[in-house]
Amino acid sequence: QKEVEQDPGPLSVPEGAIVSLNCTYSNSAFQYFMWYRQYSRKGPELLMYTYSSGNKEDGRFTAQVDKSSKYISLFIRDSQPSDSATYLCAMSYGNNRLAFGKGNQVVVIP
Amino acid sequence: DVKVTQSSRYLVKRTGEKVFLECVQDMDHENMFWYRQDPGLGLRLIYFSYDVKMKEKGDIPEGYSVSREKKERFSLILESASTNQTSMYLCASSSSLTGTSQETQYFGPGTRLLVL
Repeated sequence: QKEVEQDPGPLSVPEGAIVSLNCTYSNSAFQYFMWYRQYSRKGPELLMYTYSSGNKEDGRFTAQVDKSSKYISLFIRDSQPSDSATYLCAMSYGNNRLAFGKGNQVVVIP
Repeated sequence: DVKVTQSSRYLVKRTGEKVFLECVQDMDHENMFWYRQDPGLGLRLIYFSYDVKMKEKGDIPEGYSVSREKKERFSLILESASTNQTSMYLCASSSSLTGTSQETQYFGPGTRLLVL
């Protein structure tokens, strides 16, 4: 079983819709959770960072962590064509290494 | 802003050539990483380094070596390039300090390597 599972999609939504992405994981020691956004032919950039459980909001983006279910989510409200990218979840238990999901391609259609 | 730069955006090499990919970060980070990214396989860790002259194998080190002579610079070396090393190579760095963004890795723009 892979440490981090992320359905690769792709996911197509109309502009203005809510995008919902999620990852499940198997290692209960994970406590640092990240979402990266990667535009085509570019490097990943950090989008959201969450420590332990709970929600974090930043503008149109909300990250949720449910440690009891070993499940993390990213929500994008009022999606824009500029949100079209691949979104990768990543997590760590503090060993300076990240476990990544395979990425979820999102296309926002104008 | 953290800045991680990679020496080349695109590179074309021939089978058997020795290939050097360089990465430089300007945030005084202790940790540096080399990944490759392939469709359907995601990001895979090749090597990482947590200090100057220190290195550890990642998940797929075969066919690669690394060098870290200075804190800010981490080089990936393909000793004898093969076609199955055609990929996107990504460098990243992170701090070992505890804090609000602990464990966060910052990535460079990537190098697309084509081995013919």
